[in-house]
Amino acid sequence: DAGVIQSPRHEVTEMGQEVTLRCKPISGHNSLFWYRQTMMRGLELLIYFNNNVPIDDSGMPEDRFSAKMPNASFSTLKIQPSEPRDSAVYFCASSYDGRADTGELFFGEGSRLTVL
Amino acid sequence: GQQLNQSPQSMFIQEGEDVSMNCTSSSIFNTWLWYKQDPGEGPVLLIALYKAGELTSNGRLTAQFGITRKDSFLNISASIPSDVGIYFCAGPNTGGFKTIFGAGTRLFVKA
Repeated sequence: DAGVIQSPRHEVTEMGQEVTLRCKPISGHNSLFWYRQTMMRGLELLIYFNNNVPIDDSGMPEDRFSAKMPNASFSTLKIQPSEPRDSAVYFCASSYDGRADTGELFFGEGSRLTVL
Repeated sequence: GQQLNQSPQSMFIQEGEDVSMNCTSSSIFNTWLWYKQDPGEGPVLLIALYKAGELTSNGRLTAQFGITRKDSFLNISASIPSDVGIYFCAGPNTGGFKTIFGAGTRLFVKA
């Protein structure tokens, strides 16, 4: 079975450019989470969706960050404009009712972003 | 907010040794989870604990949910090189749906 699929796996861009990260959750999962991982701050939840609706975006660091989930099989995380401090690994994770509320998540392989 | 404190931060061990790591919190968690992250990959759930006092095994891994619901430990027996990685404890925040992660324990195994 296919797991959570993220793209791109690696992105190098220059400060000020727009970055779009993509995620395809596991089929049948109705909760989707975006996490950011850095050495300094560890794994931080940015936003999560339930049934395609954003439920909690309190972890989104600034207005430069936005996330969408237009349908059950696709989500994007956009950074515009990007800054060097946005360099991190961004993970998408999915889950389903009965598992999401106990913290049981299925992670993708991550998108490593480097902003020069 | 709720926080999870993991120790030790890193461990350097010899293949075949047993490993023990733990996680504590100042607040109660109703579920304790242990994830492992291999280099260059996303975290993968190893063990989930649902009841205070519960002891669960998964192969060479054993984890326990503390009686106070404020701590958990993970043991790995007879470590092997593929045990290398970062081990995270985690739990859902009050109200659920927001999984909080500890800072991780980095395990290095020397063959």
